[in-house]
Amino acid sequence: DGGITQSPKYLFRKEGQNVTLSCEQNLNHDAMYWYRQDPGQGLRLIYYSQIVNDFQKGDIAEGYSVSREKKESFPLTVTSAQKNPTAFYLCASSISDLQETQYFGPGTRLLVL
Amino acid sequence: KQEVTQIPAALSVPEGENLVLNCSFTDSAIYNLQWFRQDPGKGLTSLLLIQSSQREQTSGRLNASLDKSSGRSTLYIAASQPGDSATYLCAVIIYSFGNEKLTFGTGTRLTIIP
Repeated sequence: DGGITQSPKYLFRKEGQNVTLSCEQNLNHDAMYWYRQDPGQGLRLIYYSQIVNDFQKGDIAEGYSVSREKKESFPLTVTSAQKNPTAFYLCASSISDLQETQYFGPGTRLLVL
Repeated sequence: KQEVTQIPAALSVPEGENLVLNCSFTDSAIYNLQWFRQDPGKGLTSLLLIQSSQREQTSGRLNASLDKSSGRSTLYIAASQPGDSATYLCAVIIYSFGNEKLTFGTGTRLTIIP
């Protein structure tokens, strides 16, 4: 059963803590993306990766970091430098680049304690 | 800077009616436009992708049109059903300063009344 999985579904962060959101895909897609969704705003791109061991900043990369050590995995770390991390985080993938259909995971909701 | 607008923010229609959702964008030099559906608390599901050279795409009861010159796209849903209730988002891709850039609209929340 192919698709994209994200875990956990809900994540709680304490002040000053780094947390990592997981994103895995078995679609054999080269490109993967992280978006942030806030109420009343469109999705905003945080980071994207078009190939293993390479990634680029999106529009709102400050306070976030990523890695792409494997084709299937693209974890996102929300660092303590991100002062307003409460949001719904969505991971997506596409065959090779932004011009193609993107397939989304179910999302992770991050809340600050 | 590309801006994508979806009006209205919310729409309610009785079951069985045909309806149109709107998407406007300010930069007409787009690669393609995509329509997505998002159920509450869930990820996005791609519905239709229209290349810049195309005028429309159809999938079942859905038909999406694209008019680049006027910066508009519409998503037509025929014979609406309660299961169509969701938020519908459009997104456009442009090529800017050597990079592709994807911009999403804020969505239209659709409610189909049984």
